[in-house]
Amino acid sequence: GAVVSQHPSRVICKSGTSVKIECRSLDFQATTMFWYRQFPKKSLMLMATSNEGSKATYEQGVEKDKFLINHASLTLSTLTVTSAHPEDSSFYICSAGRRPNTEAFFGQGTRLTVV
Amino acid sequence: EDQVTQSPEALRLQEGESSSLNCSYTVSGLRGLFWYRQDPGKGPEFLFTLYSAGEEKEKERLKATLTKKESFLHITAPKPEDSATYLCAVPYSSASKIIFGSGTRLSIRP
Repeated sequence: GAVVSQHPSRVICKSGTSVKIECRSLDFQATTMFWYRQFPKKSLMLMATSNEGSKATYEQGVEKDKFLINHASLTLSTLTVTSAHPEDSSFYICSAGRRPNTEAFFGQGTRLTVV
Repeated sequence: EDQVTQSPEALRLQEGESSSLNCSYTVSGLRGLFWYRQDPGKGPEFLFTLYSAGEEKEKERLKATLTKKESFLHITAPKPEDSATYLCAVPYSSASKIIFGSGTRLSIRP
């Protein structure tokens, strides 16, 4: 299977600061990547679709100014949580697929804790 | 409306006790059904893709099957290390993204 790498795996930040999470496809080019949020014992909630070279597409209810997504190359997408608050604490996961509508491969996830 | 429903929500088995997990889907023009395994604190790990009714795929103690309305993940003689949450997913019929079921938390007791 394809390899998707996410970094960092854990981060603790102070309330009001911003945090950047990176997602890289290591052995293929991904024109599209996806960002999910997962609450304890819940399934994956799609936040946004990251499109290389264009604006991200956000799901309903997700604040685009709060969760900034940049997909500057075919192997890297970043999610920046701006002005983080404790309620942003969660598990964030990215994914990418070799082709649209095919199986997606996931990063290891990032546990964000805002104190 | 595209939908994926998994059952049961949780399943506890004794080591060696075989069972099946269910994934029902409603989507126009299925373009694949995916199974994943997720361990706590980690991203989902890809297991299988099924494309057409009647297709089966196997990996160790797991076998996935597909009909026109649902998919089953059969686990034969499970071991404690098979404990995880199992997720199924399908591509949306009208968008380039994937919809996930809520998952089945499988726990295997030694």
